[in-house]
Amino acid sequence: DAGVTQSPTHLIKTRGQQVTLRCSPKSGHDTVSWYQQALGQGPQFIFQYYEEEERQRGNFPDRFSGHQFPNYSSELNVNALLLGDSALYLCASSFGQGAMGTEAFFGQGTRLTVV
Amino acid sequence: DAKTTQPNSMESNEEEPVHLPCNHSTISGTDYIHWYRQLPSQGPEYVIHGLTSNVNNRMASLAIAEDRKSSTLILHRATLRDAAVYYCIHIPRTPSGTYKYIFGTGTRLKVLA
Repeated sequence: DAGVTQSPTHLIKTRGQQVTLRCSPKSGHDTVSWYQQALGQGPQFIFQYYEEEERQRGNFPDRFSGHQFPNYSSELNVNALLLGDSALYLCASSFGQGAMGTEAFFGQGTRLTVV
Repeated sequence: DAKTTQPNSMESNEEEPVHLPCNHSTISGTDYIHWYRQLPSQGPEYVIHGLTSNVNNRMASLAIAEDRKSSTLILHRATLRDAAVYYCIHIPRTPSGTYKYIFGTGTRLKVLA
């Protein structure tokens, strides 16, 4: 089992550009959540996808959008990149939308640098 | 949003027990408490979780206060590989039935050889 895989691992973009990050959940998992982690900070919740719909959203602008595919994989899109979007983007997968009692598995993250 | 409070950093000697405290005073009756740790250059890794009673697994133990407003993660014998940032997360259920992890800044554990 490959666990949660994210691609790419590193990315450099220019301010104003758009970026797409990808996540494949752990086998058997149907829920994907995305987090942004700035240097020295804890991860901040962006949104969660279940059954191909956004179910919960954190305090992030509409420039951040996502998608979940029928095979449960997910994409995070960020438009009009700002320097402040530079961060580690983490994907986490779990089973069951409301399964608070189960663990989430995180990927290694995508390091995005905006210049 | 649900908030947890942890010390910024702690130190422990190798092979000694470590007690990592967490306050989650806004917790409600159905909210779980999860602990994750993050090693350098990696994503967070699950450690343990609980609801009301104390929990043990191969990695650690979780002691939950009777009023559930605080908990303590116990590493029974710290090793150098346990050096990481430890996050205590209280997971509220939202009105829509979903949940989200609210991470704090965590406790950076340094293990001394």
